[in-house]
Amino acid sequence: LAKTTQPISMDSYEGQEVNITCSHNNIATNDYITWYQQFPSQGPRFIIQGYKTKVTNEVASLFIPADRKSSTLSLPRVSLSDTAVYYCLVGDSASKIIFGSGTRLSIRP
Amino acid sequence: NAGVTQTPKFRVLKTGQSMTLLCAQDMNHEYMYWYRQDPGMGLRLIHYSVGEGTTAKGEVPDGYNVSRLKKQNFLLGLESAAPSQTSVYFCASSLPSGGYQETQYFGPGTRLLVL
Repeated sequence: LAKTTQPISMDSYEGQEVNITCSHNNIATNDYITWYQQFPSQGPRFIIQGYKTKVTNEVASLFIPADRKSSTLSLPRVSLSDTAVYYCLVGDSASKIIFGSGTRLSIRP
Repeated sequence: NAGVTQTPKFRVLKTGQSMTLLCAQDMNHEYMYWYRQDPGMGLRLIHYSVGEGTTAKGEVPDGYNVSRLKKQNFLLGLESAAPSQTSVYFCASSLPSGGYQETQYFGPGTRLLVL
């Protein structure tokens, strides 16, 4: 199981771009990188998944360098509603991933 | 579609009592999972199922049992509740991935307090 390391917390302001970096030095060849978002009193929600290079969808971008030992979730122009906990998960199966404590993102007006 | 639903939303138990948490999904997903989340912590996998009639242990299976008699339902049982099982329980479901990490869809959670 690949261990991940993320900042415990981050603060930003509305309208800014937020980048959350996750370190996963022992990522395996078959592992994918997935990010989830969790609001208080709710279950996690899938944001984005990637294997290498860059992936973009309507809510976020995921940057993965060639060595795949880290990844960066980029949230463009955040709003107050982006205040949540963000989890970086690495694995080739949902039964083998580990939810760490995540990154608590706080957005201020 | 309701997605993933969990019953009940909140429950208080006394030590030694038993109960069953119900998870239901209407997305025709093969895989289902039960997690627990303690305050300030990430989720930990209790048990999971890759199909009707099959179950497997996750990271923290002790004190829990599960059953998957129907594809759309996944039951989590506590035979003799302990205060250490006070937590929020989340159910999730997914399709088989065919080689990559499955995208999980989570329910709203069940908050359990064991006194």
